[in-house]
Amino acid sequence: EDKVVQSPLSLVVHEGDTVTLNCSYEVTNFRSLLWYKQEKKAPTFLFMLTSSGIEKKSGRLSSILDKKELSSILNITATQTGDSAIYLCAGASGSARQLTFGSGTQLTVLP
Amino acid sequence: AAGVIQSPRHLIKEKRETATLKCYPIPRHDTVYWYQQGPGQDPQFLISFYEKMQSDKGSIPDRFSAQQFSDYHSELNMSSLELGDSALYFCASSLWGYNEQFFGPGTRLTVL
Repeated sequence: EDKVVQSPLSLVVHEGDTVTLNCSYEVTNFRSLLWYKQEKKAPTFLFMLTSSGIEKKSGRLSSILDKKELSSILNITATQTGDSAIYLCAGASGSARQLTFGSGTQLTVLP
Repeated sequence: AAGVIQSPRHLIKEKRETATLKCYPIPRHDTVYWYQQGPGQDPQFLISFYEKMQSDKGSIPDRFSAQQFSDYHSELNMSSLELGDSALYFCASSLWGYNEQFFGPGTRLTVL
């Protein structure tokens, strides 16, 4: 059974801090790892990392895939209160199309 | 840009009633996925469709069924509702073969 584990479960920081969120995965026929941001609504797609694209960056957010360690990190620099959300990591397998989600990291950025 | 549309956004039902949730994928997306997210939990995959055919099945109860229509929209039918079915139901869409799934706003189902 596919499994995705995220840590920490929750994180409280102040504006301007840098945070690193962790994700480890055990996915059969691993194809890609996706990061989503979820506020009080639907998950919003952030990044997709694959064997051919192991590092992505968008503004203050960046993510790296470690194929050897079967893990990924999501970095957020110069955090803002608007970054407060649950960050979900999901693994996608080549044989099946569904995503297996981790339990998420609840990030709270205080002013 | 057009996003995934779900209706209704909120639904209140009583135990043993039935409910139908609808999902309209992003234009040109041919694959639809349904997820259930309970309070404080991560989304759990239920079922997916590609070109009107079921492509994968997850933890969908036998009381639930779903289908995809020729215009690619999908409906999730839920019967004999139980209190534990209260959750946020997300629909996501993608192009077949691409793992990026884009989520709709969800339908919040409350079973009383």
